[in-house]
Amino acid sequence: KAGVTQTPRYLIKTRGQQVTLSCSPISGHRSVSWYQQTPGQGLQFLFEYFSETQRNKGNFPGRFSGRQFSNSRSEMNVSTLELGDSALYLCASSNGQNDLGYTFGSGTRLTVV
Amino acid sequence: DQQVKQNSPSLSVQEGRISILNCDYTNSMFDYFLWYKKYPAEGPTFLISISSIKDKNEDGRFTVFLNKSAKHLSLHIVPSQPGDSAVYFCAANMNTGFQKLVFGTGTRLLVSP
Repeated sequence: KAGVTQTPRYLIKTRGQQVTLSCSPISGHRSVSWYQQTPGQGLQFLFEYFSETQRNKGNFPGRFSGRQFSNSRSEMNVSTLELGDSALYLCASSNGQNDLGYTFGSGTRLTVV
Repeated sequence: DQQVKQNSPSLSVQEGRISILNCDYTNSMFDYFLWYKKYPAEGPTFLISISSIKDKNEDGRFTVFLNKSAKHLSLHIVPSQPGDSAVYFCAANMNTGFQKLVFGTGTRLLVSP
């Protein structure tokens, strides 16, 4: 089966701009979670969506938002980009119920200049 | 507040020897633990997991040990192979019904021939 697909793979944006990242989960998976990976910080949880509803949210400012569509595809948006938002953004999917292991996508590398 | 800690940022091991990666956690509510492996430019891939009702889980060359009283888990790789060279993340989850893994900062393992 196809894996988790994240687009785009790489992105360069300017401070103050906004960006939208996309994630298509494994077919049949209804849960999509987003993580930010920065050097020295590991993976920081952003939010999780299940059946189009945000079920859980991490400690990120309101500039970070997301949504999930009826086909389980998810997008995350970052507005008013800051230099510190430069990171690898990872999306993971699972069935959202008894499956506690994620399948991750390859990530979107965002660079803010 | 780093609830999951991997205090060794890097580890070097010779091929054929044992690799031991350590992870400590502070939240006693965590009841499920996972290890992920990550190669550059790829998303993390699930390696092995352990429930808090067990103290050991084995899968081929990989064994995870859990010491709940010490809030410590470790991943043993025996024998280590050059292809095991990657960043290893431990992660913890609470049985809240939500999907929210708390990750450590990772340990870079280098296995030399």
